[in-house]
Amino acid sequence: AQRVTQPEKLLSVFKGAPVELKCNYSYSGSPELFWYVQYSRQRLQLLLRHISRESIKGFTADLNKGETSFHLKKPFAQEEDSAMYYCALTGRGMLTFGGGTRLMVKP
Amino acid sequence: DTAVSQTPKYLVTQMGNDKSIKCEQNLGHDTMYWYKQDSKKFLKIMFSYNNKELIINETVPNRFSPKSPDKAHLNLHINSLELGDSAVYFCASSQDFPRGEEQFFGPGTRLTVL
Repeated sequence: AQRVTQPEKLLSVFKGAPVELKCNYSYSGSPELFWYVQYSRQRLQLLLRHISRESIKGFTADLNKGETSFHLKKPFAQEEDSAMYYCALTGRGMLTFGGGTRLMVKP
Repeated sequence: DTAVSQTPKYLVTQMGNDKSIKCEQNLGHDTMYWYKQDSKKFLKIMFSYNNKELIINETVPNRFSPKSPDKAHLNLHINSLELGDSAVYFCASSQDFPRGEEQFFGPGTRLTVL
């Protein structure tokens, strides 16, 4: 079975502080991993995917197969980063989401 | 405006009623999905259709019946609504089966069963 775990339901940081949203997964094959974001009153949208190895809005995420993790990081949080973040995995033709982490960036 | 659209945005109804939620995508995608987001924001897939054929049905009660009249539409019909059906339902689409494919989400339909 494939499973995604986001251990933190809520993460609260001050503006300018570093952010790390944790994501661990369980999957027997080679997973494709994503981070989706849902800003207030907006639809869920893709933030980044591991195969692209890109940085979007200052966020990066590295797939660590040894630790089965795909943590999302940003060195300096901004207030506009406040949102709900979902880690997701595809394998066997299905996208499985983690429980989500609400990031609150305080001024 | 290319996107995934859903109607209605809000749906308030009584227990036992039957209701439908419509979804349309004009992105030319082959695959469409329904997700349920509960009150704790947990997002779970319900169904997936590829070229109008059902490919994923994640242990959803028979009261939920998806219908795909064509590739651009995936509607969700719910019979005998129960209190536990209250949630936000998201439709999504992707070019192909979700192996590395980005999924595009609709704005959601907030269903409240009284």
